[in-house]
Amino acid sequence: RKEVEQDPGPFNVPEGATVAFNCTYSNSASQSFFWYRQDCRKEPKLLMSVYSSGNEDGRFTAQLNRASQYISLLIRDSKLSDSATYLCVGTPHGNAGNMLTFGGGTRLMVKP
Amino acid sequence: NAGVTQTPKFQVLKTGQSMTLQCAQDMNHNSMYWYRQDPGMGLRLIYYSASEGTTDKGEVPNGYNVSRLNKREFSLRLESAAPSQTSVYFCASSESFWRGLGTDTQYFGPGTRLTVL
Repeated sequence: RKEVEQDPGPFNVPEGATVAFNCTYSNSASQSFFWYRQDCRKEPKLLMSVYSSGNEDGRFTAQLNRASQYISLLIRDSKLSDSATYLCVGTPHGNAGNMLTFGGGTRLMVKP
Repeated sequence: NAGVTQTPKFQVLKTGQSMTLQCAQDMNHNSMYWYRQDPGMGLRLIYYSASEGTTDKGEVPNGYNVSRLNKREFSLRLESAAPSQTSVYFCASSESFWRGLGTDTQYFGPGTRLTVL
């Protein structure tokens, strides 16, 4: 079983819609989580950090549920420019080092 | 301020050939990392360097070697390339290797697309 699992999608949504992705993790030692955004044939870029119960940044909200071991990303009022692959990332070694474990990514396509 | 740069952008090798992927960062970061990305697999850590002068194996180190040449540069070498090493290779850097300091965000380079025939 992968340490971090995501639905690969694609999620096809109209502009202005609200969309949510979930990500599950198997290693309870993970302390911090991240959402990275990756555009086609580009490098991953940090979107949000999720250090405790959750984080909000404009149209983006990330939540962490430690009891059920999942992280979610909610995007409100989707824009065409939100089309990308969203990578869920865990830290299997807790605070003992900056090794990251990546999920396979969820692809989002926002249509006009 | 270029961030993290990688060369080459593309490379085609024949089985058994060797090559070195170069990575440099201009952010004065202490830690550097090499990942590979394969379809559906997510990024997987090959090697990392927590600080200048140290290197350690990640999740998939077999078939690779690394050198932390100085604080700025971290190279990845394939001694005898195999088709299973066809992948996109990303280098990343972070200010700190230790979590919880707010300086552990990893910044990625643009990647090297490698094909081994």
